[in-house]
Amino acid sequence: AQSVTQLGSHVSVSEGALVLLRCNYSSSVPPYLFWYVQYPNQGLQLLLKYTTGATLVKGINGFEAEFKKSETSFHLTKPSAHMSDAAEYFCAVSDNPSSASKIIFGSGTRLSIRP
Amino acid sequence: NAGVTQTPKFQVLKTGQSMTLQCAQDMNHNSMYWYRQDPGMGLRLIYYSASEGTTDKGEVPNGYNVSRLNKREFSLRLESAAPSQTSVYFCASSEGQGRGTGELFFGEGSRLTVL
Repeated sequence: AQSVTQLGSHVSVSEGALVLLRCNYSSSVPPYLFWYVQYPNQGLQLLLKYTTGATLVKGINGFEAEFKKSETSFHLTKPSAHMSDAAEYFCAVSDNPSSASKIIFGSGTRLSIRP
Repeated sequence: NAGVTQTPKFQVLKTGQSMTLQCAQDMNHNSMYWYRQDPGMGLRLIYYSASEGTTDKGEVPNGYNVSRLNKREFSLRLESAAPSQTSVYFCASSEGQGRGTGELFFGEGSRLTVL
């Protein structure tokens, strides 16, 4: 069975500081990994995804994540936080999304940006 | 450019009442999903439909029924609402059927309160 653990339900950083949101997964097969972002009162939208190939994945708004199989991690980073990055971030894992299998979400991390 | 459309956006019910949440997508996607979002619990899958004519249970199906009316539409029904079903409900779709990489496209959500 798959699972996702997001460490830290709330992360607060200063504007311009490094953003690091942690995600660890469990999967018995090579995983497909995703980060979604949810702005207040909106649905989720895809930030970036890892399927196969290059383990460093770049997404929208300057975010990137690195798939580390040995650590079963897929942490999300951004070098310099902006006020507009304040949102909730969800990590998700799937074993074979092209077959419409169940995609499992983490519990989310709320990112706050201090001026 | 509607994407995934959910109705209604807000609903207040009394315990025991029934209602149906409607969802439609215009991206010709094969797979559709219903999630609920509760604080600190992330998104939990209620039901999904891999393709037109099929539905399957997710993590938390009790108290809900679904209908895949056609390729575009996937409805969620609460037959006898309970306060525990107070939540924000999201409909999502993906290409499925061996295509795509599993990216989910979300509606804006339906906020349901059961008194």
